[in-house]
Amino acid sequence: SQTIHQWPATLVQPVGSPLSLECTVEGTSNPNLYWYRQAAGRGLQLLFYSVGIGQISSEVPQNLSASRPQDRQFILSSKKLLLSDSGFYLCAWSSGGIYSPLHFGNGTRLTVT
Amino acid sequence: KNQVEQSPQSLIILEGKNCTLQCNYTVSPFSNLRWYKQDTGRGPVSLTIMTFSENTKSNGRYTATLDADTKQSSLHITASQLSDSASYICVVSAEYGGSQGNLIFGKGTKLSVKP
Repeated sequence: SQTIHQWPATLVQPVGSPLSLECTVEGTSNPNLYWYRQAAGRGLQLLFYSVGIGQISSEVPQNLSASRPQDRQFILSSKKLLLSDSGFYLCAWSSGGIYSPLHFGNGTRLTVT
Repeated sequence: KNQVEQSPQSLIILEGKNCTLQCNYTVSPFSNLRWYKQDTGRGPVSLTIMTFSENTKSNGRYTATLDADTKQSSLHITASQLSDSASYICVVSAEYGGSQGNLIFGKGTKLSVKP
C-alpha cells in the first residue's frame, strides 16, 4: 500500500533562518506531488506541485522554493524565513488522474519566531 | 473569482444524532467536487469525489450530494460518533487536466460531537 511520510512534525525557527521540509512517498511510482500551506481560519493554499522529477510549478510567489530530486521525494525550502511563513505545511500525492484523490501527509507545524 | 463557501463554520451535536454540512461554490469550469475529513493536527483524508453527473455518493455513514445546477453540495453524517469530531473540507476542481493544480478549498466546517 502507499504511504506518505512528512517530517518534522513540528518546527520552531527564528526569523532569517533557513528551512527544509521533506516529504517521501512509498508504494507508488511517478506520483504527482504537492506542497500546501494551511493558515488558521483559511482554506488550504497550494504552494507548489510537481508532475515529475525536476518539474516544479509555483502557484504563489513567495519566500519559498521546492525541489524534487527523486521520483518520490519532495522538498520545501527557504533561505530566510519570515514571520509570515508560520503555518501548517502539508505534503500530498496523487496518481495523476483527474478524479484521483489527494493523499496528505500529517503535516509540519512551523512557527517562525 | 472561483470560490467555495462552507456553512456552518462550526457545529456541535450530540453523539448518535445526524447532521448536514453545506457547500456552495462558484467555480468554472467545474470538474469534480470532493469532501475531506481533517482531524486536528493531521492531514485531510478523502471521503468522496463526485463528478458533474453524480448526484449522491456514500462512504459508510457519510453521504454527499451534489446539485450541479444550483452549485451546491452537502455532506450528511448519520448516527454521529465521537470520532466524527473533525473539520470537513469541501474542495472543487476547476480543471480537466491531471495535475490537480487548480483545486479550490473551502475553509471547512468544524464539527464537534459530544457524548
